[in-house]
Amino acid sequence: KNEVEQSPQNLTAQEGEFITINCSYSVGISALHWLQQHPGGGIVSLFMLSSGKKKHGRLIATINIQEKHSSLHITASHPRDSAVYICAVPPPGGIQGAQKLVFGQGTRLTINP
Amino acid sequence: EAGVVQSPRYKIIEKKQPVAFWCNPISGHNTLYWYRQNLGQGPELLIRYENEEAVDDSQLPKDRFSAERLKGVDSTLKIQPAELGDSAVYLCASSLVVNEQFFGPGTRLTVL
Repeated sequence: KNEVEQSPQNLTAQEGEFITINCSYSVGISALHWLQQHPGGGIVSLFMLSSGKKKHGRLIATINIQEKHSSLHITASHPRDSAVYICAVPPPGGIQGAQKLVFGQGTRLTINP
Repeated sequence: EAGVVQSPRYKIIEKKQPVAFWCNPISGHNTLYWYRQNLGQGPELLIRYENEEAVDDSQLPKDRFSAERLKGVDSTLKIQPAELGDSAVYLCASSLVVNEQFFGPGTRLTVL
C-alpha cells in the first residue's frame, strides 16, 4: 500500500501570503492528484501531474518523481482559497489512474483577510 | 454539463436506524465510486462499480453496508443499522477515463 503524508496538517495565513503544501508518498507512482475540498464536503480536482510542474491561475503544482514528493503552491492567497487540500496517488502494482486512489489526510488551509 | 449529484446533502439519524444515500454520476461515466471520509482524514474507498458490476468492494463493511447500481447509472448506498461510528461524509465520484475522477458534494451523515 502506498503511504501518503501531507504537511502541514493545518495552515493559517494572511491574505496575500505565498502558500506551500507538501505531499510525500512511499511507492513510485505514475501520477499524483491534488484535490480541493470546501466546507460541505464536495471535492474538486485541481491537478493531475506525472512530472514537472503545472499552473492554473494562482495555483502551481510540482512533482519530483525521484524524491517521491509533490508541492502545491498558492500565490497571492485569498480567503476564498480556504479549504482542505488533499493529495492522492494510485496504488502500486500497476492499477492505472483513478481506479483506486490512496488519499492523504488533507491540509486545512485558512486564509484570513 | 451537470456534475455528480448526491442526495441528501445532510442526514441526521439515531443509531440503529437505516439510512440511504443516492448518487447520479455524470452522464456517460461508467465508473462510479463510493467513499467515506471521516473528520480530518482523506476519503477511503468503499466500493467501485464498472457499469453495474461491483469490481472492488473489499473495503465495504458488508455486515451493515450495501450498495447497488442496478442499471449502471444511479447508485444507492445503504447502512442498516447505523452506528455512531458511521458519522462521516459519504462521497460519490464518477469517471470515464483513467486519471480523472469527478466528485459529488457529499452527504454528511450524523448518527446520534
